[in-house]
Amino acid sequence: AQTVTQSQPEMSVQEAETVTLSCTYDTSESNYYLFWYKQPPSRQMILVIRQEAYKQQNATENRFSVNFQKAAKSFSLKISDSQLGDTAMYFCAFIPLNTGNQFYFGTGTSLTVIP
Amino acid sequence: EAGVTQFPSHSVIEKGQTVTLRCDPISGHDNLYWYRRVMGKEIKFLLHFVKESKQDESGMPNNRFLAERTGGTYSTLKVQPAELEDSGVYFCASSHGQGATQYFGPGTRLTVT
Repeated sequence: AQTVTQSQPEMSVQEAETVTLSCTYDTSESNYYLFWYKQPPSRQMILVIRQEAYKQQNATENRFSVNFQKAAKSFSLKISDSQLGDTAMYFCAFIPLNTGNQFYFGTGTSLTVIP
Repeated sequence: EAGVTQFPSHSVIEKGQTVTLRCDPISGHDNLYWYRRVMGKEIKFLLHFVKESKQDESGMPNNRFLAERTGGTYSTLKVQPAELEDSGVYFCASSHGQGATQYFGPGTRLTVT
């Protein structure tokens, strides 16, 4: 079975602080991509960051970085210098490349940045 | 470049009625996907089009759901007749190639009363 687990339904962080959102997944595939998407309140879901499973180096995108532990099937997202605009629902997802094209999502983590 | 658009943004219907959701993908994207999120649960895959053909419809809940993609452009998802458990947010996504990043629309929130 292909599953994604986000164990933190809600989190909060003070503006300018750092926060880490956790994500674990389960798959028997060896070739896949991992993603973090964010959906701000009443707005479109947008891509935050993407990681190819074959790459050992952790992906970074400005203030966003991941800690990808392939053996542990863990893919956490770190947000540095949190800003009010980071308030959103964050979804972890992966797509196996050999067995189809559907994304598998977690249940999401609602992050609130406190001024 | 325009993103993925969905219409309507919100629909409230009574049990037994019919609703049709529409998705316009990013221009040039052959791959179009439908997903659904029931409140508090994960976003689940419904189906995948490549151009006008259904590549994978393994996530469609039952035969009350009908998806079409006429001419390989926009897609519609019809629910007929709607049941209470169909309530949720329906997302559409598109991508340029298979396995590529999928770009999501804002979703349609469907409420069945």
